[in-house]
Amino acid sequence: RKEVEQDPGPFNVPEGATVAFNCTYSNSASQSFFWYRQDCRKEPKLLMSVYSSGNEDGRFTAQLNRASQYISLLIRDSKLSDSATYLCVVNAAGGYNKLIFGAGTRLAVHP
Amino acid sequence: DVKVTQSSRYLVKRTGEKVFLECVQDMDHENMFWYRQDPGLGLRLIYFSYDVKMKEKGDIPEGYSVSREKKERFSLILESASTNQTSMYLCASSLPRGPGDSPLHFGNGTRLTVT
Repeated sequence: RKEVEQDPGPFNVPEGATVAFNCTYSNSASQSFFWYRQDCRKEPKLLMSVYSSGNEDGRFTAQLNRASQYISLLIRDSKLSDSATYLCVVNAAGGYNKLIFGAGTRLAVHP
Repeated sequence: DVKVTQSSRYLVKRTGEKVFLECVQDMDHENMFWYRQDPGLGLRLIYFSYDVKMKEKGDIPEGYSVSREKKERFSLILESASTNQTSMYLCASSLPRGPGDSPLHFGNGTRLTVT
């Protein structure tokens, strides 16, 4: 089983739609969780950290469910510019700043 | 703004060649990392370094070595390139806060093809 698993997609949604991605992780001792965004042929960039209480940044909401070992990302009012691959990232418990990346979920927003 | 610069965007090398991938960051970050990214597998950590002359193996170090002689520069070396090392290579840096606290800043990648 992979340490971090994501549905690869693609998720094809119209502009204005709400879309949600889930990501599961295998190590219950993991403490830090992130969503990174990667545009086509570009490097990954941090989108947001995921906190235990859940957090929101504009149209983006991230949630953590420790009991079920998954994190989620909700995007409201999708824009064409949201089209990208979203990478779920979890720190490796006990690892020095070592992060484990999921393979990514591709989102395509169409007019 | 943090800048992580990788020396080449595209490289084509022959099997058996020694290959150097260079990465320089300008924000005085202690931590530097080398990942490779392959379709369906995500980013996998090859090596990382949290100080000059320090290095730690990541998940897939076989066939690679690294060098960190200066704080701003982290080099990835393929001693004898093989076709299964064809991949996108991404360098990253971060501050030395607690595990996972400090976001990674990536370079724009080197797409290496080994023929």
